Amino acid sequence: GQQVMQIPQYQHVQEGEDFTTYCNSSTTLSNIQWYKQRPGGHPVFLIQLVKSGEVKKQKRLTFQFGEAKKNSSLHITATQTTDVGTYFCAALGSSNTGKLIFGQGTTLQVKP
Amino acid sequence: DAGITQSPRYKITETGRQVTLMCHQTWSHSYMFWYRQDLGHGLRLIYYSAAADITDKGEVPDGYVVSRSKTENFPLTLESATRSQTSVYFCASSESMVGTQYFGPGTRLLVL
Repeated sequence: GQQVMQIPQYQHVQEGEDFTTYCNSSTTLSNIQWYKQRPGGHPVFLIQLVKSGEVKKQKRLTFQFGEAKKNSSLHITATQTTDVGTYFCAALGSSNTGKLIFGQGTTLQVKP
Repeated sequence: DAGITQSPRYKITETGRQVTLMCHQTWSHSYMFWYRQDLGHGLRLIYYSAAADITDKGEVPDGYVVSRSKTENFPLTLESATRSQTSVYFCASSESMVGTQYFGPGTRLLVL
């Protein structure tokens, strides 16, 4: 079945450093969503990307959808301790399986 | 505005017992989902429902039963709990199958 691979699984950074997580699929995606889960919390929707090559920004977060719509990235500039958590991508395949498939998540630790 | 709630928040049970996890949403969303979250596996879909009395299997349905007699409720039952079902369970709701998903706070289940 369709899979969405997310890398890296874990990332430790010093506060102020940048951070990027990648989401990759072997098949073309219709859209991709990003969620953030704080430690002990539940996933919270961040953004959805639909168009090829789309780039969206939320303050220090930049989300990108690849030109071929097979990959996506989330980049955080100058991380802060409030960025700690697990970031998930979730994608709908263009083969119309009808279900969102979640990546395994990237857990970010930020050292103050 | 309660949104989406889950009960109980924590549960300890024994192997072989039946356990029901409750999920309630106040948005009248058509779609509801049950996920389990385990280290290294991200979020895996157990069952989902498109409307009252319409349910379908997700990625890992074995050992679980769902029902949806009312739009706002989507209980998940472990008919005979096993240790492998120790996990964090999240309920989510959405206006569509592939729209933004709103997650409940989760139920942490320990099966001894």
